[in-house]
Amino acid sequence: QQQVKQSPQSLIVQKGGISIINCAYENTAFDYFPWYQQFPGKGPALLIAIRPDVSEKKEGRFTISFNKSAKQFSLHIMDSQPGDSATYFCAAMGIQGAQKLVFGQGTRLTINP
Amino acid sequence: NAGVTQTPKFRVLKTGQSMTLLCAQDMNHEYMYWYRQDPGMGLRLIHYSVGEGTTAKGEVPDGYNVSRLKKQNFLLGLESAAPSQTSVYFCASRRDLNTDTQYFGPGTRLTVL
Repeated sequence: QQQVKQSPQSLIVQKGGISIINCAYENTAFDYFPWYQQFPGKGPALLIAIRPDVSEKKEGRFTISFNKSAKQFSLHIMDSQPGDSATYFCAAMGIQGAQKLVFGQGTRLTINP
Repeated sequence: NAGVTQTPKFRVLKTGQSMTLLCAQDMNHEYMYWYRQDPGMGLRLIHYSVGEGTTAKGEVPDGYNVSRLKKQNFLLGLESAAPSQTSVYFCASRRDLNTDTQYFGPGTRLTVL
């Protein structure tokens, strides 16, 4: 059972455009929502994260929008650059137990120059 | 600091062979995790450890065993490899319960023929 659903699977955006990746979750016990960025041949690295007490978090060109009532969150990349081409994973973690991350399926983002 | 390192980077096994993947971290982190990454499925947790001498099952533990004899090392074993275990394996570490960020290693690409 996929607890975090991510879309789209792949995305092509022109340089300078806005990239948007969406995730939906089911478990209302989740309280930490990170996005990881992965370049080919590398391990994932934390990009940006949010907790449910805020609806938006911005770091440079990267913004997370969070909708608690809809159980959805999204990553927006403004002024997308070819160097942003990578696979992006959303994830969620709860406050109970060992606080394990549950990942979405991943989105392969390509920014065309 | 080297961060999280994984050995080996690549490995090819025949069905039924065994092997051990080594993960090492030099950040004095309490928590360590083993994930597998398959196309279209994101990262799935195999086993994890919340401290030296402890291990616990994740989402897909069947066919794998782990050990955490030293705080800095987390070993993943395959006793009798199967083609379904062909995957990219990632190790991650996290400082403790009071921090959220997981730091990933570069991965091990395993092929089982």
